[in-house]
Amino acid sequence: DIVMTQSPATLSLSPGERATLSCRASQSVSSNYLSWYQQRPGQAPRLLIYGGSTRATGIPARFSGSGSGTDFTLTISSLQPEDFAVYYCQQDYDLPWTFGQGTKVEIK
Amino acid sequence: QVQLQESGPGLVKPSQTLSLTCTVSGGSIRSGGYYWSWIRQHPGKGLEWIGYINYSGSTYYNPSLKSRVTMSVDTSKSQFSLKLISVTAADTAVYYCASAALAFDYWGQGTLVTVSS
Repeated sequence: DIVMTQSPATLSLSPGERATLSCRASQSVSSNYLSWYQQRPGQAPRLLIYGGSTRATGIPARFSGSGSGTDFTLTISSLQPEDFAVYYCQQDYDLPWTFGQGTKVEIK
Repeated sequence: QVQLQESGPGLVKPSQTLSLTCTVSGGSIRSGGYYWSWIRQHPGKGLEWIGYINYSGSTYYNPSLKSRVTMSVDTSKSQFSLKLISVTAADTAVYYCASAALAFDYWGQGTLVTVSS
């Protein structure tokens, strides 16, 4: 299985700050098969980014994805109150599809 | 826009079978290129992909659960289903159904299944 490792586990930031979330794969993953999700408390996850860098429908431009090989990044350029949530990366490059353990972005 | 809704018992006894159904609306379950998936989330934990089924009934199950999982699809009802046998307390989780095309594009709201006597 491809193990996805996210860091940090928790990110404490203030509204308006920039958030940088990392995701590392245990083996090379085509960026075409790397996605990011946001999960707010009590809600289902929501697709933010697919194909490594393509925003899903309706996702604000402050969210951006980048990376290649084994290292990927989700950047939130200026945190809004509704962005404080848990974020997951996920690969569907190889079966079984796997998720990272999540990064919680909390209000500082 | 595709909408998914899980349904099934919220409480299952240990050693019994967990059965859930996902109803798809706003889109066709017969769409090629979609992998109709089940994902679970243990309380306070991360996401675990259980497996997928496509419209023709082809499946892939996560090896971690393969021996206990069966998925099926009923295109006439726009539904796909999950059965997990021999459940234990470790199977207590929120179970989500989701559609996967480019990624897990659409998700159901999730349903909590508790395994307890």
